[in-house]
Amino acid sequence: GQQLNQSPQSMFIQEGEDVSMNCTSSSIFNTWLWYKQDPGEGPVLLIALYKAGELTSNGRLTAQFGITRKDSFLNISASIPSDVGIYFCAGPNTGNQFYFGTGTSLTVIP
Amino acid sequence: KAGVTQTPRYLIKTRGQQVTLSCSPISGHRSVSWYQQTPGQGLQFLFEYFSETQRNKGNFPGRFSGRQFSNSRSEMNVSTLELGDSALYLCASSPLLSSIAKNIQYFGAGTRLSVL
Repeated sequence: GQQLNQSPQSMFIQEGEDVSMNCTSSSIFNTWLWYKQDPGEGPVLLIALYKAGELTSNGRLTAQFGITRKDSFLNISASIPSDVGIYFCAGPNTGNQFYFGTGTSLTVIP
Repeated sequence: KAGVTQTPRYLIKTRGQQVTLSCSPISGHRSVSWYQQTPGQGLQFLFEYFSETQRNKGNFPGRFSGRQFSNSRSEMNVSTLELGDSALYLCASSPLLSSIAKNIQYFGAGTRLSVL
């Protein structure tokens, strides 16, 4: 089946630093989604991308839909302690089956 | 608009028992998907239901089953529980619009199942 590979697997950063993570796919996606999951909770949608090359922001978060349509990037600027969590990329195939990345665990050190 | 509601939030069972988890999707959403999440395996797709019919199925044994009711509420059942079934079970709903690209999934808080 399709694989979504995220990197890095985990990150430990100082509060105030910027964060970058990415997601690559073995096949083309027409939609890229980024979710954040807090411990013990379900994933919450952060950003949705619908077009190759699209750059979308949500507060301190910025995500980009890669030109090849096989990758996407998420950046967090000026990190704060509440950014802690696991970030997942995801996308639906043409049959509406969703695929999720392996997740990037973010720890912010105050 | 209320979000996706999953009940119960926590469940403790013993090996060999069976369990039923419930999911109420966002009002107007007709597609419900179920996922199993474990620390080692990440989010694993179980199945998706739409209009009371299973549309997609992941690679799980037949002990895992589900159904959807006419009001789009869904249940999943796990029979003959094993220790390895301990996980967070997540339900997600989506509107299943004609534009596939807009079919974003919205998640519930999950049911934490512990099998002893």
